[in-house]
Amino acid sequence: SQTIHQWPATLVQPVGSPLSLECTVEGTSNPNLYWYRQAAGRGLQLLFYSVGIGQISSEVPQNLSASRPQDRQFILSSKKLLLSDSGFYLCAWSVRTGRYGYTFGSGTRLTVV
Amino acid sequence: QQQVKQSPQSLIVQKGGISIINCAYENTAFDYFPWYQQFPGKGPALLIAIRPDVSEKKEGRFTISFNKSAKQFSLHIMDSQPGDSATYFCAASSSGTYKYIFGTGTRLKVLA
Repeated sequence: SQTIHQWPATLVQPVGSPLSLECTVEGTSNPNLYWYRQAAGRGLQLLFYSVGIGQISSEVPQNLSASRPQDRQFILSSKKLLLSDSGFYLCAWSVRTGRYGYTFGSGTRLTVV
Repeated sequence: QQQVKQSPQSLIVQKGGISIINCAYENTAFDYFPWYQQFPGKGPALLIAIRPDVSEKKEGRFTISFNKSAKQFSLHIMDSQPGDSATYFCAASSSGTYKYIFGTGTRLKVLA
């Protein structure tokens, strides 16, 4: 069966520090991968999505970047965190063909102080 | 045109009652409409989904009603239970795209 792993679960980082969040998927090949951010009590904002290794589409201009160095690995990064980067970050995957919805990871709660 | 409008923002229902959450869209190219359930501190989980070739889909106590002409769809939770207390998101996507457009979420509280 397919599983998605996201870590760390919580993170407290100072303003100006770098960020690296990792997401991996097991049990499937060629998934579509997504990074979402959810502000407290708010909806889901799509940040990046990827349909293949090295292919990244950015939805919102911001202080973050994403990379996909391997088929089932998706990384969210920042060189210098801002207070406004705080939030709940969710990785998700979906099959490449057909329509079966997303499967989300358990999320990373990031607090920038 | 890419938006999905969800209402209400919050909902309080008595145990055993019916919870109804509504979503509306403009893009007639949307052809897949999932609902997600999210508990605090967790990622959203796919609850139920519908395609526009049917007007209703039922899974247990959860039913999606779909009105293609009105471009609206809704989630009905029958016999609502305290364990259903969560945030619910509707979403929509169209063939050939890789993205889902999410509604803003409804926070449901079921009173015991």
